[in-house]
Amino acid sequence: QVQLQESGPGLVSPSQTLSLTCSVSGGSVSSGGFYWSWIRQHPGKGLEWIGYMYDSERTYYNPSLQNRVSISADASEIQFSLKLTSVTAADTAVYYCARGRDFGDYEGEVGFDYWGQGTLVTVSS
Amino acid sequence: EIVMTQSPATLSVSPGERVTLSCRARETIRNNLAWYQQKPGQAPRLLIYGASTRATGIPARFSGSGSGTEFTLTISSLQSEDFAIYYCQQYNNWPPYTFGQGTRLEIK
Repeated sequence: QVQLQESGPGLVSPSQTLSLTCSVSGGSVSSGGFYWSWIRQHPGKGLEWIGYMYDSERTYYNPSLQNRVSISADASEIQFSLKLTSVTAADTAVYYCARGRDFGDYEGEVGFDYWGQGTLVTVSS
Repeated sequence: EIVMTQSPATLSVSPGERVTLSCRARETIRNNLAWYQQKPGQAPRLLIYGASTRATGIPARFSGSGSGTEFTLTISSLQSEDFAIYYCQQYNNWPPYTFGQGTRLEIK
């Protein structure tokens, strides 16, 4: 059974960098076939896919965030991280890490089968 | 970016009733659609993928159908634990993967 757990600061100052880590148990971020993902949810709102890494180093990001986001694996292979630069109040959200899997006929047709519990990050001075 | 539209925004139903939730894609996504359930303070839970395949451990009262641009999630007999928000997600045209805005099921 795969479990994911987010960790990181709950408060970030405007213009700073938001950094979160996801710890994976029951699996490895270096194992093939999975997409280690970050998804966020603004307060009282819907879900927004941020991006993912797969094959240990390949990444895809939401075009709306591409200039500010990076996702990478930790050398331990049981953690991966999110960095979001130049944050504003609009980045206040619950951030989830999740595991993606190919559910379609082609690579990249991904749904999310395991999720962390989420962590609230507030951007405020 | 493919916009996903769910309707209605809120549905008031009684336990034991059958309910159908709708999700529409602005352009065809074949059957590349997933449904999630989210309860307050919890992460989303995968219910359905491939528009109609139940995820592991999901009760048979949940069923999905549709292809192209029109999709439905049906709960055959609502249980108390089913009152939650339901989201659809397309994974046909990416990036980005996109979600609907959600349908809230509340107790009548």
